[in-house]
Amino acid sequence: DGGITQSPKYLFRKEGQNVTLSCEQNLNHDAMYWYRQDPGQGLRLIYYSQIVNDFQKGDIAEGYSVSREKKESFPLTVTSAQKNPTAFYLCASRTFGTGDLREPQHFGDGTRLSIL
Amino acid sequence: AQKITQTQPGMFVQEKEAVTLDCTYDTSDQSYGLFWYKQPSSGEMIFLIYQGSYDEQNATEGRYSLNFQKARKSANLVISASQLGDSAMYFCAMREGRLSGTYKYIFGTGTRLKVLA
Repeated sequence: DGGITQSPKYLFRKEGQNVTLSCEQNLNHDAMYWYRQDPGQGLRLIYYSQIVNDFQKGDIAEGYSVSREKKESFPLTVTSAQKNPTAFYLCASRTFGTGDLREPQHFGDGTRLSIL
Repeated sequence: AQKITQTQPGMFVQEKEAVTLDCTYDTSDQSYGLFWYKQPSSGEMIFLIYQGSYDEQNATEGRYSLNFQKARKSANLVISASQLGDSAMYFCAMREGRLSGTYKYIFGTGTRLKVLA
Protein backbone atom coordinates (compact mmCIF):
# COMPACT_ATOMS: atom_id res chain seq x y z
CA ASP A 1 0.00 0.00 0.00
CA GLY A 2 1.19 3.51 -0.78
CA GLY A 3 1.72 5.84 2.11
CA ILE A 4 4.00 7.93 4.27
CA THR A 5 6.17 6.36 6.94
CA GLN A 6 7.52 8.41 9.80
CA SER A 7 10.05 7.04 12.25
CA PRO A 8 10.59 6.74 15.07
CA LYS A 9 7.16 7.04 16.65
CA TYR A 10 8.69 8.38 19.88
CA LEU A 11 12.01 10.19 20.23
CA PHE A 12 13.85 11.62 23.20
CA ARG A 13 16.47 14.32 22.93
CA LYS A 14 19.14 15.30 25.40
CA GLU A 15 20.14 18.91 25.89
CA GLY A 16 22.52 20.12 23.19
CA GLN A 17 21.83 17.15 20.93
CA ASN A 18 20.67 17.14 17.32
CA VAL A 19 18.08 14.54 16.38
CA THR A 20 16.74 13.53 12.98
CA LEU A 21 13.17 12.53 12.19
CA SER A 22 12.63 10.31 9.19
CA CYS A 23 9.89 10.70 6.57
CA GLU A 24 9.62 8.35 3.60
CA GLN A 25 6.82 8.21 1.02
CA ASN A 26 6.06 5.82 -1.83
CA LEU A 27 3.23 7.85 -3.33
CA ASN A 28 5.47 9.32 -6.03
CA HIS A 29 4.66 12.78 -4.70
CA ASP A 30 6.93 15.67 -5.52
CA ALA A 31 5.96 18.04 -2.70
CA MET A 32 6.68 17.20 0.92
CA TYR A 33 6.02 19.14 4.12
CA TRP A 34 6.98 19.14 7.80
CA TYR A 35 4.60 20.45 10.44
CA ARG A 36 4.88 20.95 14.17
CA GLN A 37 1.84 20.48 16.41
CA ASP A 38 1.72 21.69 20.00
CA PRO A 39 -1.07 20.77 22.45
CA GLY A 40 -4.23 22.72 21.74
CA GLN A 41 -2.78 24.24 18.59
CA GLY A 42 -3.05 23.65 14.93
CA LEU A 43 -0.29 22.58 12.60
CA ARG A 44 2.48 25.04 11.87
CA LEU A 45 4.66 24.71 8.78
CA ILE A 46 8.38 24.19 9.39
CA TYR A 47 9.77 23.44 5.93
CA TYR A 48 8.45 22.30 2.58
CA SER A 49 10.03 20.95 -0.57
CA GLN A 50 8.65 20.97 -4.09
CA ILE A 51 11.31 18.92 -5.85
CA VAL A 52 14.53 17.10 -5.11
CA ASN A 53 17.40 19.29 -3.92
CA ASP A 54 15.08 22.22 -3.26
CA PHE A 55 13.27 23.30 -0.09
CA GLN A 56 11.84 26.46 1.46
CA LYS A 57 11.39 27.70 5.00
CA GLY A 58 7.94 27.72 6.48
CA ASP A 59 6.64 29.85 9.31
CA ILE A 60 8.78 28.37 12.12
CA ALA A 61 12.01 27.15 10.48
CA GLU A 62 14.43 28.46 13.13
CA GLY A 63 16.24 25.62 14.89
CA TYR A 64 15.36 23.08 12.20
CA SER A 65 17.06 21.85 9.05
CA VAL A 66 16.01 19.54 6.21
CA SER A 67 17.42 17.85 3.14
CA ARG A 68 15.80 16.45 0.00
CA GLU A 69 18.32 14.24 -1.74
CA LYS A 70 15.72 11.73 -2.93
CA LYS A 71 12.14 12.17 -4.03
CA GLU A 72 10.96 9.63 -1.48
CA SER A 73 12.72 11.06 1.55
CA PHE A 74 12.51 14.35 3.47
CA PRO A 75 14.28 14.05 6.85
CA LEU A 76 13.96 16.78 9.47
CA THR A 77 16.79 17.57 11.89
CA VAL A 78 15.90 19.27 15.14
CA THR A 79 19.06 21.09 16.14
CA SER A 80 20.27 22.18 19.56
CA ALA A 81 19.32 25.72 18.53
CA GLN A 82 15.65 24.74 18.86
CA LYS A 83 15.14 25.52 22.54
CA ASN A 84 11.63 24.16 22.84
CA PRO A 85 11.49 21.08 20.61
CA THR A 86 8.92 19.08 22.58
CA ALA A 87 6.03 18.61 20.16
CA PHE A 88 4.31 16.26 17.75
CA TYR A 89 5.84 16.35 14.26
CA LEU A 90 3.87 15.46 11.16
CA CYS A 91 5.18 14.88 7.66
CA ALA A 92 2.91 15.27 4.64
CA SER A 93 3.13 15.00 0.87
CA ARG A 94 1.19 16.03 -2.21
CA THR A 95 1.55 16.01 -5.95
CA PHE A 96 3.43 19.04 -7.21
CA GLY A 97 1.76 21.88 -9.07
CA THR A 98 -1.92 22.28 -9.81
CA GLY A 99 -2.73 18.67 -10.56
CA ASP A 100 -6.05 17.89 -8.98
CA LEU A 101 -6.93 20.84 -6.77
CA ARG A 102 -9.19 18.61 -4.72
CA GLU A 103 -6.35 16.35 -3.69
CA PRO A 104 -5.51 16.75 -0.01
CA GLN A 105 -2.17 16.42 1.64
CA HIS A 106 -1.39 12.89 2.77
CA PHE A 107 0.04 12.57 6.27
CA GLY A 108 2.27 10.16 8.13
CA ASP A 109 1.45 8.96 11.62
CA GLY A 110 3.76 11.46 13.31
CA THR A 111 6.75 11.47 15.65
CA ARG A 112 6.43 12.59 19.25
CA LEU A 113 9.63 14.32 20.41
CA SER A 114 10.39 14.94 24.07
CA ILE A 115 13.29 16.42 25.99
CA LEU A 116 15.11 14.28 28.55
CA ALA B 1 -2.96 37.72 6.02
CA GLN B 2 -4.73 34.47 5.35
CA LYS B 3 -6.17 32.85 8.43
CA ILE B 4 -8.38 30.01 9.61
CA THR B 5 -10.42 30.41 12.79
CA GLN B 6 -12.07 27.62 14.74
CA THR B 7 -13.79 29.16 17.74
CA GLN B 8 -14.96 25.98 19.46
CA PRO B 9 -12.13 24.41 21.47
CA GLY B 10 -14.40 21.53 22.54
CA MET B 11 -17.82 20.15 21.69
CA PHE B 12 -20.04 17.42 23.05
CA VAL B 13 -22.72 15.58 21.08
CA GLN B 14 -25.02 12.73 21.92
CA GLU B 15 -24.57 9.56 19.91
CA LYS B 16 -26.78 9.50 16.79
CA GLU B 17 -27.28 13.26 16.89
CA ALA B 18 -25.88 15.72 14.31
CA VAL B 19 -23.17 18.24 15.18
CA THR B 20 -21.75 21.31 13.44
CA LEU B 21 -18.13 22.33 13.80
CA ASP B 22 -17.44 25.94 12.89
CA CYS B 23 -14.71 27.26 10.61
CA THR B 24 -14.25 30.77 9.29
CA TYR B 25 -11.48 31.85 6.99
CA ASP B 26 -9.90 35.00 5.67
CA THR B 27 -8.28 35.27 2.27
CA SER B 28 -7.96 37.75 -0.55
CA ASP B 29 -7.55 34.99 -3.14
CA GLN B 30 -10.40 34.23 -5.51
CA SER B 31 -9.35 30.64 -5.90
CA TYR B 32 -8.87 28.61 -2.75
CA GLY B 33 -9.72 25.27 -1.24
CA LEU B 34 -10.95 24.26 2.18
CA PHE B 35 -10.28 20.90 3.80
CA TRP B 36 -11.42 19.18 6.96
CA TYR B 37 -9.28 16.60 8.72
CA LYS B 38 -9.95 14.29 11.65
CA GLN B 39 -7.15 13.53 14.12
CA PRO B 40 -7.85 10.64 16.53
CA SER B 41 -5.86 10.34 19.73
CA SER B 42 -3.33 8.17 17.88
CA GLY B 43 -2.24 11.28 15.97
CA GLU B 44 -2.70 10.52 12.28
CA MET B 45 -4.52 13.09 10.12
CA ILE B 46 -7.46 11.66 8.20
CA PHE B 47 -8.86 13.66 5.29
CA LEU B 48 -12.64 14.02 5.45
CA ILE B 49 -13.97 16.48 2.90
CA TYR B 50 -13.01 19.22 0.45
CA GLN B 51 -14.74 22.38 -0.79
CA GLY B 52 -13.42 24.49 -3.64
CA SER B 53 -14.13 28.20 -3.77
CA TYR B 54 -15.82 27.85 -7.16
CA ASP B 55 -17.88 24.79 -6.26
CA GLU B 56 -21.55 25.64 -6.59
CA GLN B 57 -22.76 22.76 -4.45
CA ASN B 58 -21.90 22.09 -0.84
CA ALA B 59 -19.58 19.10 -0.55
CA THR B 60 -20.84 15.85 0.95
CA GLU B 61 -18.99 12.62 1.81
CA GLY B 62 -21.12 10.02 3.54
CA ARG B 63 -22.05 11.35 6.99
CA TYR B 64 -19.93 14.47 6.46
CA SER B 65 -21.19 17.58 4.74
CA LEU B 66 -19.84 21.05 4.43
CA ASN B 67 -22.02 24.12 4.95
CA PHE B 68 -20.17 26.55 2.69
CA GLN B 69 -21.20 30.19 2.89
CA LYS B 70 -18.80 32.06 0.68
CA ALA B 71 -20.04 35.59 1.42
CA ARG B 72 -19.65 34.96 5.13
CA LYS B 73 -16.35 33.14 4.62
CA SER B 74 -17.44 30.15 6.59
CA ALA B 75 -17.06 26.44 5.91
CA ASN B 76 -18.69 24.53 8.74
CA LEU B 77 -18.46 20.75 8.96
CA VAL B 78 -21.66 18.90 9.71
CA ILE B 79 -21.45 15.33 11.00
CA SER B 80 -24.76 13.51 10.91
CA ALA B 81 -25.71 10.53 13.07
CA SER B 82 -22.65 10.85 15.33
CA GLN B 83 -20.86 7.67 16.35
CA LEU B 84 -18.56 7.01 19.31
CA GLY B 85 -15.71 6.64 16.82
CA ASP B 86 -16.18 10.24 15.74
CA SER B 87 -14.60 11.40 19.02
CA ALA B 88 -11.43 13.15 17.87
CA MET B 89 -9.82 16.48 17.08
CA TYR B 90 -11.09 18.13 13.90
CA PHE B 91 -9.06 20.62 11.88
CA CYS B 92 -10.15 23.02 9.18
CA ALA B 93 -7.43 23.92 6.66
CA MET B 94 -7.14 26.21 3.67
CA ARG B 95 -4.95 25.85 0.64
CA GLU B 96 -3.16 29.13 0.04
CA GLY B 97 -2.63 30.54 -3.41
CA ARG B 98 0.11 28.92 -5.43
CA LEU B 99 3.57 30.19 -4.57
CA SER B 100 6.57 29.19 -6.60
CA GLY B 101 4.80 26.23 -8.09
CA THR B 102 3.24 24.48 -5.17
CA TYR B 103 0.69 25.06 -2.48
CA LYS B 104 0.93 25.85 1.18
CA TYR B 105 -1.75 25.05 3.69
CA ILE B 106 -2.79 26.85 6.85
CA PHE B 107 -4.64 25.14 9.68
CA GLY B 108 -7.02 26.23 12.39
CA THR B 109 -6.44 25.40 16.04
CA GLY B 110 -8.94 22.56 15.96
CA THR B 111 -12.10 21.48 17.77
CA ARG B 112 -12.10 18.47 20.08
CA LEU B 113 -15.33 16.53 19.65
CA LYS B 114 -16.57 14.07 22.25
CA VAL B 115 -19.47 11.79 21.38
CA LEU B 116 -21.48 10.66 24.39
CA ALA B 117 -23.13 7.24 24.59
